[in-house]
Amino acid sequence: SAVISQKPSRDICQRGTSLTIQCQVDSQVTMMFWYRQQPGQSLTLIATANQGSEATYESGFVIDKFPISRPNLTFSTLTVSNMSPEDSSIYLCSVLLAGGFEQYFGPGTRLTVT
Amino acid sequence: GENVEQHPSTLSVQEGDSAVIKCTYSDSASNYFPWYKQELGKRPQLIIDIRSNVGEKKDQRIAVTLNKTAKHFSLHITETQPEDSAVYFCAANGGYRGSTLGRLYFGRGTQLTVWP
Repeated sequence: SAVISQKPSRDICQRGTSLTIQCQVDSQVTMMFWYRQQPGQSLTLIATANQGSEATYESGFVIDKFPISRPNLTFSTLTVSNMSPEDSSIYLCSVLLAGGFEQYFGPGTRLTVT
Repeated sequence: GENVEQHPSTLSVQEGDSAVIKCTYSDSASNYFPWYKQELGKRPQLIIDIRSNVGEKKDQRIAVTLNKTAKHFSLHITETQPEDSAVYFCAANGGYRGSTLGRLYFGRGTQLTVWP
């Protein structure tokens, strides 16, 4: 497996502001992903973070709202822009280890927008 | 894309009984099927997985079976314990190709409660 960290672990933000979430893994990984999980719901993929190129977004998610960076193989950021209360959720990164199928999740960032 | 259905949404069992959670998938190209356990306030944890070249896999009290013809796979937990109480998610990878490389499609989850 891999050790995955996320910062911050939680935050309370005002409507209209932006928050950048960081995801760091201790080993090189093939793919990094960003998910959103509403309370009591399943995991919804926001986008695949591609190293050195634009992220691949899922239907319903756009770059202007959720800009993503991945400057190297072990680090990625997700920004939630111009937040509204509907963005209150848990945001998780996951990684696909090199040479395998297994995906592992970071501890998540609990975001509350007031 | 892939569509994963999971049943039941809730499951209550007595300690020591077995629990079975079932999932179906739509894309015959899917070849990897993981199961995640998520305790309240924690991250999803990979507990077992199976690849399409295998029909069954066991790890102590947990087993997963796969029927490729019928496109369904199941999680079996024997001798359940209260600490097995959690939400369980199944997933399928929709095949390993192109821009969907590594992408997982998740079921809606099953809340398992084990009563002592």
